[in-house]
Amino acid sequence: EAEVAQSPRYKITEKSQAVAFWCDPISGHATLYWYRQILGQGPELLVQFQDESVVDDSQLPKDRFSAERLKGVDSTLKIQPAELGDSAMYLCASATGNTDTQYFGPGTRLTVL
Amino acid sequence: DQQVKQNSPSLSVQEGRISILNCDYTNSMFDYFLWYKKYPAEGPTFLISISSIKDKNEDGRFTVFLNKSAKHLSLHIVPSQPGDSAVYFCAAQNTGNQFYFGTGTSLTVIP
Repeated sequence: EAEVAQSPRYKITEKSQAVAFWCDPISGHATLYWYRQILGQGPELLVQFQDESVVDDSQLPKDRFSAERLKGVDSTLKIQPAELGDSAMYLCASATGNTDTQYFGPGTRLTVL
Repeated sequence: DQQVKQNSPSLSVQEGRISILNCDYTNSMFDYFLWYKKYPAEGPTFLISISSIKDKNEDGRFTVFLNKSAKHLSLHIVPSQPGDSAVYFCAAQNTGNQFYFGTGTSLTVIP
């Protein structure tokens, strides 16, 4: 069964450092999402791509976060510089279209020290 | 502002009994609702969904009920099994195709 792949699974970094997360969606899925999930809360959308285009990044802290999906397939989410409050689970999800069920990857657990 | 709310952070149920997980929403523009299940150290897994034109959708042991007038939906699991122990998230999609998740309910099924 096809799955969404994410790496790394865990990342520990010091504040002010740069971090990057990678996501490979299910093949053929045009829509890709990045979510942030703080412990005890539900996933919060950071950015949504349709192919290589950003559809919604209204909740992305653009002063430090960036996301790209250059060829409309895999995607990278970057944080520079990382802050203590960025410690969270970063989830990637993909869907065939923007109205369809999202399939989530295992997430990257980020700890900022 | 939390548009999708799960007011019960946790729920414990005996094996074989019914589990009822509740979800409330505030935005009348939501037209599609989903339930996701999440085990520790894994991403959420899609469980069941319902369109706003329906009031019930059933899939095996899982049934989702939607009450649009009350802006309330619930997930029923019958019979509950120990493997159902997980965190359950309710999610809603609006007509602009934006998704909003609740804060989750941790279900424990006691053998």
